[in-house]
Amino acid sequence: GENVEQHPSTLSVQEGDSAVIKCTYSDSASNYFPWYKQELGKRPQLIIDIRSNVGEKKDQRIAVTLNKTAKHFSLHITETQPEDSAVYFCAASTGSTLGRLYFGRGTQLTVWP
Amino acid sequence: NAGVTQTPKFQVLKTGQSMTLQCAQDMNHEYMSWYRQDPGMGLRLIHYSVGAGITDQGEVPNGYNVSRSTTEDFPLRLLSAAPSQTSVYFCASSLPDEKLFFGSGTQLSVL
Repeated sequence: GENVEQHPSTLSVQEGDSAVIKCTYSDSASNYFPWYKQELGKRPQLIIDIRSNVGEKKDQRIAVTLNKTAKHFSLHITETQPEDSAVYFCAASTGSTLGRLYFGRGTQLTVWP
Repeated sequence: NAGVTQTPKFQVLKTGQSMTLQCAQDMNHEYMSWYRQDPGMGLRLIHYSVGAGITDQGEVPNGYNVSRSTTEDFPLRLLSAAPSQTSVYFCASSLPDEKLFFGSGTQLSVL
């Protein structure tokens, strides 16, 4: 099955700095790559996603890039704010069954004021 | 719409007991799935379903059963609870090729 690796496991940045989280995947058939944010005690919430026919996608301060050749994708958060502090998960989906996601182990992002 | 509703929110079981975690969605989503979340492990897929009457195993199916008799409901059954099943369980649903919606989770402790 698919194997998703995520780095780093923890990330601390100063408010206003940028944060980058990287993921790699193993199955070249994967074609959907979402990112979820999970605050303590809450459910994961989708923040951005990208499909394999697109190399980059932006939504305000958040962007995701995808390199299908190298099988890696990254989350970029600019102008970080304390409320960005949370655990972030990347995931990959193989084929058209998006109900079957394979997740990375998560990155604890802490933004210091 | 209530979205994805999970019950109970918290549960404590003794080793060997059985129970069912309930999951219901009112968005007419075809796809439903169960994940477990353990510290440092991310979310791992237990079972999933692409429609009523159709289920399949995920990454960690052992010790769990599912059935999908209706589009709305996707219960997860623990037949004989073990301490290794202590975890937070999330149910999720989606339309084909669309994003997952997660329930609020069930925190399960097996003593």
